[in-house]
Amino acid sequence: AQSVSQHNHHVILSEAASLELGCNYSYGGTVNLFWYVQYPGQHLQLLLKYFSGDPLVKGIKGFEAEFIKSKFSFNLRKPSVQWSDTAEYFCAVIAKTSYDKVIFGPGTSLSVIP
Amino acid sequence: NAGVTQTPKFRILKIGQSMTLQCTQDMNHNYMYWYRQDPGMGLKLIYYSVGAGITDKGEVPNGYNVSRSTTEDFPLRLELAAPSQTSVYFCASGGQGYRYNEQFFGPGTRLTVL
Repeated sequence: AQSVSQHNHHVILSEAASLELGCNYSYGGTVNLFWYVQYPGQHLQLLLKYFSGDPLVKGIKGFEAEFIKSKFSFNLRKPSVQWSDTAEYFCAVIAKTSYDKVIFGPGTSLSVIP
Repeated sequence: NAGVTQTPKFRILKIGQSMTLQCTQDMNHNYMYWYRQDPGMGLKLIYYSVGAGITDKGEVPNGYNVSRSTTEDFPLRLELAAPSQTSVYFCASGGQGYRYNEQFFGPGTRLTVL
């Protein structure tokens, strides 16, 4: 069965620190990849996505992610975090064989300390 | 557009009670989903629908039922509430291009079963 794992359950950073959140998926075929963010008390919203082309994708609010097919990874990065980035981050995958379903990772909670 | 709306926002149920969580979208999306979100577990797919009259089980369907009589509405029914169903429930929808674009999420329903 397809699955998505995220390396860290909870990350605590100071403002201006760099961020990298790991995401790995278990599927050998074609996938579409997403990062969603959930700010405290709000619903999920799309941060960025990848489905083809340049493996380095840029999203909103200065976030970017790199798709490394050989490592089945789609890590999220931001060079300098802000207090307002405090949120839960979810990696999600759609595999070509199950286009009806989006599989979400367990999430990483990011706390940014001013 | 209102997007995806869910009612109620909060609900407390006693064990054995039943209730229906409502979900409506006004974007004419074919695909609709119900997820539950438990702390540290991410989002788990309960049921999904690829169009009016068509539903299918997700990862954790036990204890739930759904129907899809219209494109707009996708209610989730809990027949005999159990403490294990205490969770936050999110409804989401996606258009034909959702594989390459985002799913749109509702604000969630926080359910407690005592």
